[in-house]
Amino acid sequence: NAGVMQNPRHLVRRRGQEARLRCSPMKGHSHVYWYRQLPEEGLKFMVYLQKENIIDESGMPKERFSAEFPKEGPSILRIQQVVRGDSAAYFCASSPPSGLYGYTFGSGTRLTVV
Amino acid sequence: QQQVKQSPQSLIVQKGGISIINCAYENTAFDYFPWYQQFPGKGPALLIAIRPDVSEKKEGRFTISFNKSAKQFSLHIMDSQPGDSATYFCAAPSMNRDDKIIFGKGTRLHILP
Repeated sequence: NAGVMQNPRHLVRRRGQEARLRCSPMKGHSHVYWYRQLPEEGLKFMVYLQKENIIDESGMPKERFSAEFPKEGPSILRIQQVVRGDSAAYFCASSPPSGLYGYTFGSGTRLTVV
Repeated sequence: QQQVKQSPQSLIVQKGGISIINCAYENTAFDYFPWYQQFPGKGPALLIAIRPDVSEKKEGRFTISFNKSAKQFSLHIMDSQPGDSATYFCAAPSMNRDDKIIFGKGTRLHILP
């Protein structure tokens, strides 16, 4: 009974490269949420997706960031032309319909931009 | 933008003491209030949650107390242990009925051995 799977666990990118972060939700979960966490800080909401739909992207930067959750396959958070300020831990959570009764988080992807 | 206000930001407690973390929320679509625990290098994990048809929920050493009229809820950790040292997040449902939950900024708890 695998939980939420995120990969890679660690990702190093040079400034200007693209970063792709993957999240496979728990079996039976149809909702995916992405959060960003800086060291010693809280969880900052980025985007909420259901299969093939972006429900709320109010926390996503307007440029360089995009997310998808296709009908088949994992959810992808894509950061184009990364900058040092993008260095953070990115967490994905999933939930069944009516996610209010508990999100399950993955272990995160730690992105370092050099 | 809807907020969940969590305090304190950090907390140091002696082993065996009681750790208390407080949260205040604005209007929500309905009442369900979870707490998450996060250890360094790990993702947050659901610790305990309350649906306020009750004013208190207890699981082992962890207790949530809920005050609906004041729109406040708190986490109490009894007999705090060094292994409880972690960051704790409270959360509340979005008032937009969109299946989102809003997190507090977190409390870094350190239990002195």
